[in-house]
Amino acid sequence: GAVVSQHPSRVICKSGTSVKIECRSLDFQATTMFWYRQFPKQSLMLMATSNEGSKATYEQGVEKDKFLINHASLTLSTLTVTSAHPEDSSFYICSARVGQGGDQPQHFGDGTRLSIL
Amino acid sequence: GESVGLHLPTLSVQEGDNSIINCAYSNSASDYFIWYKQESGKGPQFIIDIRSNMDKRQGQRVTVLLNKTVKHLSLQIAATQPGDSAVYFCAENGDSSYKLIFGSGTRLLVRP
Repeated sequence: GAVVSQHPSRVICKSGTSVKIECRSLDFQATTMFWYRQFPKQSLMLMATSNEGSKATYEQGVEKDKFLINHASLTLSTLTVTSAHPEDSSFYICSARVGQGGDQPQHFGDGTRLSIL
Repeated sequence: GESVGLHLPTLSVQEGDNSIINCAYSNSASDYFIWYKQESGKGPQFIIDIRSNMDKRQGQRVTVLLNKTVKHLSLQIAATQPGDSAVYFCAENGDSSYKLIFGSGTRLLVRP
């Protein structure tokens, strides 16, 4: 149980393109999902918390107009990297949590490798 | 704030030996801790968690120890196997009831 699916797994596109990444909870409902960014050999950095039916909460330093988040249903959150540039190239990972309690683990998707040429 | 690793410490162990991966967490308000395993090109995989009202919890071949006095967390893997080779991250909930703060990670290499 607690499977999170992320799509696509890899994107290579030209600078200036907008890229949408989907995160789905397959066997549970998630009112809250999380989007992380990970650079090579580094830890996961939380970008934003996606809340179903309301606006996402962004971490300090993350541009909300650059990284658009939509959480329209209890099983789907999307991250759109708008007008992507080479510096946006990274590994983007989403997670979702079963239940609302603070002592519940987040379950992660397998990430999206974004490469901007 | 977020923990960002500038390098990955590496632990190299012989297959069949026990592994101990350590983590110093930062926030004394944290009351929930998780260990994740991340293989190359994949997302983190949940291994085991522990709440602050416990100091030890065991799973299948894994044990997590929590020392709140010195803010230290460890993951013990018994009879380490080649499939255990990965990067291991500890995470804490900090001041938040829903966010996680990740440690910088440790790479585990299992020698055949």
